Amino acid sequence: EVQLVESGGGLVEPGGSLRLSCAGSGFAFSNYGMSWVRQAPGKGLEWVSSIRVHSGTTHYVDSLKGRFIISRDTSKNTLYLLMNSLRVDDTAVYYCAKDDAPDGGYFNGWGQGTLVTVSS
Amino acid sequence: DIQMTQSPSTLSASLGDRVTITCRASQSVSRWLAWYQQKPGKAPKLLIYRASGLESGVPSRFSGRGSGTEFTLTISSLQPDDAATYYCHQYDSDPRTFGQGTKVEVK
Repeated sequence: EVQLVESGGGLVEPGGSLRLSCAGSGFAFSNYGMSWVRQAPGKGLEWVSSIRVHSGTTHYVDSLKGRFIISRDTSKNTLYLLMNSLRVDDTAVYYCAKDDAPDGGYFNGWGQGTLVTVSS
Repeated sequence: DIQMTQSPSTLSASLGDRVTITCRASQSVSRWLAWYQQKPGKAPKLLIYRASGLESGVPSRFSGRGSGTEFTLTISSLQPDDAATYYCHQYDSDPRTFGQGTKVEVK
């Protein structure tokens, strides 16, 4: 069974940084693309970033403008999201999601989410 | 970016009713379309992939149809546990985008 456990969320002031982590188990972590999806309070789902297996490429939603960095450590089966220059509108629950394929696809595994609150 | 538009935004139906949610894409996504169910405070759960593929463990009252730009999710006989928000999701091209969601209430 796919298990994804996020950590690292919390309260941060505007302009600050946070690093989210997502520990995966129950599947061959290194064989699948991984993504972050966020959900602002009372709003819908928004794909944020993905990292692919074969090409190693990373992808981001345009609105981030280079502030976030996705990475993975396959030796630890862990996905990361480094979030810099945080803004109030980055406030959301951040979900780690497993892609169904090495290079994208739908999301067939989700973590429980970690809340990031950006506020002064 | 491909825009996904769901209708209706909210839906209220009675126990046992047949319910259909529509999702339209701003350009063709072939059959690269998934549906998720989300309950308050919980992570989304995959229901349907590749437009009509039923995810393992999902009740057979859920079904998906469509291709190109128009898709539907149907619940054949609405149950109390189906009260949730449903999202369509295209994975044809980056950025992978979601519909805005349809909230289903069970009377």
